[in-house]
Amino acid sequence: SQQGEEDPQALSIQEGENATMNCSYKTSINNLQWYRQNSGRGLVHLILIRSNEREKHSGRLRVTLDTSKKSSSLLITASRAADTASYFCATVFISGGSNYKLTFGKGTLLTVNP
Amino acid sequence: EPEVTQTPSHQVTQMGQEVILRCVPISNHLYFYWYRQILGQKVEFLVSFYNNEISEKSEIFDDQFSVERPDGSNFTLKIRSTKLEDSAMYFCASSGKDRNQPQHFGDGTRLSIL
Repeated sequence: SQQGEEDPQALSIQEGENATMNCSYKTSINNLQWYRQNSGRGLVHLILIRSNEREKHSGRLRVTLDTSKKSSSLLITASRAADTASYFCATVFISGGSNYKLTFGKGTLLTVNP
Repeated sequence: EPEVTQTPSHQVTQMGQEVILRCVPISNHLYFYWYRQILGQKVEFLVSFYNNEISEKSEIFDDQFSVERPDGSNFTLKIRSTKLEDSAMYFCASSGKDRNQPQHFGDGTRLSIL
């Protein structure tokens, strides 16, 4: 498999705390994307980070990418109950042609308790 | 903000029957995808479509599956003779013209095979 795993598999925190989720992968990537999925719903795109970028911010989200370690992290600051969802990282691998498929990890289930 | 829309939201079908899942991608996007997620498992890539032809397909996408873009707006996934193991959530996604643009997903069709 080209895709590693997210860790932790599940994370439970109190509202206002920060949540950090990690993702590892195995081969060279073009970019890495983070998605959120509420129970039974579709995937919502959060952030895309390119292989030549090290850090990216969007609102309360901060994503880092370490290509030497083949890993990424997603930090959600000042969490809210509405952040409760599954979070997935997905990678686009370097390949020829028009192959832009996403390869997903298993995800982290984040529960934010009020 | 433009969205990917999928219909129906839930499809119940007898084993052996044909099903067609429908998607309307974002209008100026060029790449179209189908993914599936079996309950409790990873999101898996099925097929990508560009310039009116399949650009890549996974091992899952066997001869029972086909995709079509019958007009300028719709993108369909057909399963000719459904099996119990086809029960899953099917997601359509679309993206712009290069690898470094995010894929936008629909809310999915839950397919239940009886």
